[in-house]
Amino acid sequence: DAGVTQSPTHLIKTRGQQVTLRCSPKSGHDTVSWYQQALGQGPQFIFQYYEEEERQRGNFPDRFSGHQFPNYSSELNVNALLLGDSALYLCASSSSPGRSGGYTFGSGTRLTVV
Amino acid sequence: QKEVEQNSGPLSVPEGAIASLNCTYSDRGSQSFFWYRQYSGKSPELIMFIYSNGDKEDGRFTAQLNKASQYVSLLIRDSQPSDSATYLCAVWWGSNYKLTFGKGTLLTVNP
Repeated sequence: DAGVTQSPTHLIKTRGQQVTLRCSPKSGHDTVSWYQQALGQGPQFIFQYYEEEERQRGNFPDRFSGHQFPNYSSELNVNALLLGDSALYLCASSSSPGRSGGYTFGSGTRLTVV
Repeated sequence: QKEVEQNSGPLSVPEGAIASLNCTYSDRGSQSFFWYRQYSGKSPELIMFIYSNGDKEDGRFTAQLNKASQYVSLLIRDSQPSDSATYLCAVWWGSNYKLTFGKGTLLTVNP
């Protein structure tokens, strides 16, 4: 049973560039949430996708956008990268918002903006 | 604003001791509570969840929930060096569909 798969694992980008991160949820899960985790901080909620729509959004600028596909996989796009966007980006999947046991996280994408 | 607070530590305990990690949250409307373990450079891993007041035990781990006081704790008995990690407390408020995390507590278990 495949868990949550994220790609790429590491990425280095230059300020002002755009980046796309990808996530495939765990089998049986239909909800994907994206988190940003800066060094020494807890994960910060970016947004959540369910039924191909953004259901909830955290306190992140419009430079952060996403998409969910019919197979439940998801992308996170960040435009006009800033140095402060350097972080671990985590994708988490669940079977609808869950009291069933929490979210399952992927291994993350480490983004470095130089 | 729904917030989750944790003591960032570091919390240092000797091997074999009980490690106690605490978490408070801001809104009594919360429904579900989770503890994740995160090793350095890795992603969070779910270790416990609790919904009802009281204690829930799973092996060496015990989660304790007190909704009236708005706190949840995690006890790790017979701590091992392999337990050294950051422990993240997370709270789910069904009204806003998202899991909100604290900043995490760094635990170090000394051999």
